[in-house]
Amino acid sequence: SQTIHQWPATLVQPVGSPLSLECTVEGTSNPNLYWYRQAAGRGLQLLFYSVGIGQISSEVPQNLSASRPQDRQFILSSKKLLLSDSGFYLCAWSMRGRTDTQYFGPGTRLTVL
Amino acid sequence: RKEVEQDPGPFNVPEGATVAFNCTYSNSASQSFFWYRQDCRKEPKLLMSVYSSGNEDGRFTAQLNRASQYISLLIRDSKLSDSATYLCAVLASGGSYIPTFGRGTSLIVHP
Repeated sequence: SQTIHQWPATLVQPVGSPLSLECTVEGTSNPNLYWYRQAAGRGLQLLFYSVGIGQISSEVPQNLSASRPQDRQFILSSKKLLLSDSGFYLCAWSMRGRTDTQYFGPGTRLTVL
Repeated sequence: RKEVEQDPGPFNVPEGATVAFNCTYSNSASQSFFWYRQDCRKEPKLLMSVYSSGNEDGRFTAQLNRASQYISLLIRDSKLSDSATYLCAVLASGGSYIPTFGRGTSLIVHP
């Protein structure tokens, strides 16, 4: 069966510090991968998605970036965090080439102080 | 008009009650529909897909109304453990793999 991992689970970072969040998927190949952010009391905001290694599409221009160095690894980064980057970051996967269900990882709760 | 809309609630119901949520969508080409459950400070988890003919899973029934462009989720015999936020997700046709999520409906089941 497929599983999706995210780490760290919780992170507290000062403004201006860098960020690296990692997501890995097991039990499937060639998944579509997604990064979402959910601010407190808000809906899911799609940040990036990827249909393959090195292929990243950005939905919202901001100080975040994403990379997919391996088929089942998706990384979210920032060089300098802003207060507004605080939120719940969720990685998700779906079957490649199918308009199918998304499955979410456990998320990383980021607080920028 | 937002692409996918949900009443944020909260819906406050007693145990044993029947409660229903709707989710309206604006893209008439939408083909795939889902309900997710999200517990406080947790990730959304798939509750059920919504098929054209409707589908039922125990106390949960999901239905699609294409003419009026909405999906519904009915929960019968509500349990305290049903308290959560329920998100709908809609996928357009044509090979899209990016769903649009509603902002969720909060359900509180009380004793």
